[in-house]
Amino acid sequence: QKEVEQDPGPLSVPEGAIVSLNCTYSNSAFQYFMWYRQYSRKGPELLMYTYSSGNKEDGRFTAQVDKSSKYISLFIRDSQPSDSATYLCAMISNAGKSTFGDGTTLTVKP
Amino acid sequence: EAGVAQSPRYKIIEKRQSVAFWCNPISGHATLYWYQQILGQGPKLLIQFQNNGVVDDSQLPKDRFSAERLKGVDSTLKIQPAKLEDSAVYLCASSLRQGQGNEQFFGPGTRLTVL
Repeated sequence: QKEVEQDPGPLSVPEGAIVSLNCTYSNSAFQYFMWYRQYSRKGPELLMYTYSSGNKEDGRFTAQVDKSSKYISLFIRDSQPSDSATYLCAMISNAGKSTFGDGTTLTVKP
Repeated sequence: EAGVAQSPRYKIIEKRQSVAFWCNPISGHATLYWYQQILGQGPKLLIQFQNNGVVDDSQLPKDRFSAERLKGVDSTLKIQPAKLEDSAVYLCASSLRQGQGNEQFFGPGTRLTVL
């Protein structure tokens, strides 16, 4: 069993929809939680970073962490065609090691 | 600020050949990472350097993969001999420091195809 499991997708939504992307994890040593966006043939870029349970908002993006359930989510409001990409969750352990999910591919249709 | 540079962007080789990838991190970043990203999967950490010392290479297939970071700046990752299953994108990333709270900046990757 993988340490980080991510909803596989693919996900296709109409423009303006609210998107929910989810990951679960099994390692209690994970302390820091991130969401990356990866466009085709590009490297991942960091979208959101948080270390505590609760919500963190940045523009149209909200990251949610529930450490008791070992579950994290990324919500995208008013989704745009430019949001079409693969979204990767990633976690850093207290030893500083990063582990990524396998990504969810999102397509936002105009 | 210049980003992480990688070369080549694409490489096609036959199995059992050798190949090398180069990475130039963001200036001043002490920590450098090499990841392997197989199609449809997330990046898997191969090796992590802090300056020119290895912090974690637990997932590096040491019988065929090697990496070095001379002078704590540029890094090279080598595969010798390559296998079909090494076909992947090899991503280099850097951060100011290692561990929690330090954003990793990724390069564009090198796409390797082994025939």
